[in-house]
Amino acid sequence: AQSVTQLDSHVSVSEGTPVLLRCNYSSSYSPSLFWYVQHPNKGLQLLLKYTSAATLVKGINGFEAEFKKSETSFHLTKPSAHMSDAAEYFCVVSDGYSGYSTLTFGKGTMLLVSP
Amino acid sequence: DADVTQTPRNRITKTGKRIMLECSQTKGHDRMYWYRQDPGLGLRLIYYSFDVKDINKGEISDGYSVSRQAQAKFSLSLESAIPNQTALYFCATSERGGPGDTQYFGPGTRLTVL
Repeated sequence: AQSVTQLDSHVSVSEGTPVLLRCNYSSSYSPSLFWYVQHPNKGLQLLLKYTSAATLVKGINGFEAEFKKSETSFHLTKPSAHMSDAAEYFCVVSDGYSGYSTLTFGKGTMLLVSP
Repeated sequence: DADVTQTPRNRITKTGKRIMLECSQTKGHDRMYWYRQDPGLGLRLIYYSFDVKDINKGEISDGYSVSRQAQAKFSLSLESAIPNQTALYFCATSERGGPGDTQYFGPGTRLTVL
């Protein structure tokens, strides 16, 4: 069984300060991990994904995440927040054992960016 | 993603009515999925289809049914809608469905059941 825990339901930052969104996962197999972003009244867009290659993954819009197996974590970071980063972010896990894998979503973290 | 479209975008209906939500894709993907999103719960998988002849239940399939009419079309039906099915519904597609495979999401359908 696989599961994802996003440790914060809301994160507030000021524009220009670093962003840290925390995610822990549980998986019986080698996981693939994703971060998706959902802007207000929009669908979901892939930010980045980890699939057992480099543990530091770079995504769009300056975001990156580091896979840490020992900590079962996949935290999302950005050095400097922009107002346009305000959105809901989902950490997602996919198990690594079959061609019939499905995604399991975390409950989401709402990122609020103030001027 | 404009390659995955959902109709209608918004729907208000009454308890007991039958509702169909439609999804079409031009990405040429075999795999299609239906999710619902509720505030504070993330997305949960309702049904998924790995090809036209393959339909599988997801985490929360009770009260829903699906039809895969063609590779490009995947419909979700609520046979008798109830208020707790009020949610945002997303369709998604993927090329292979294996681990690490990216899913591409439609814009969503907001359904309200009164």
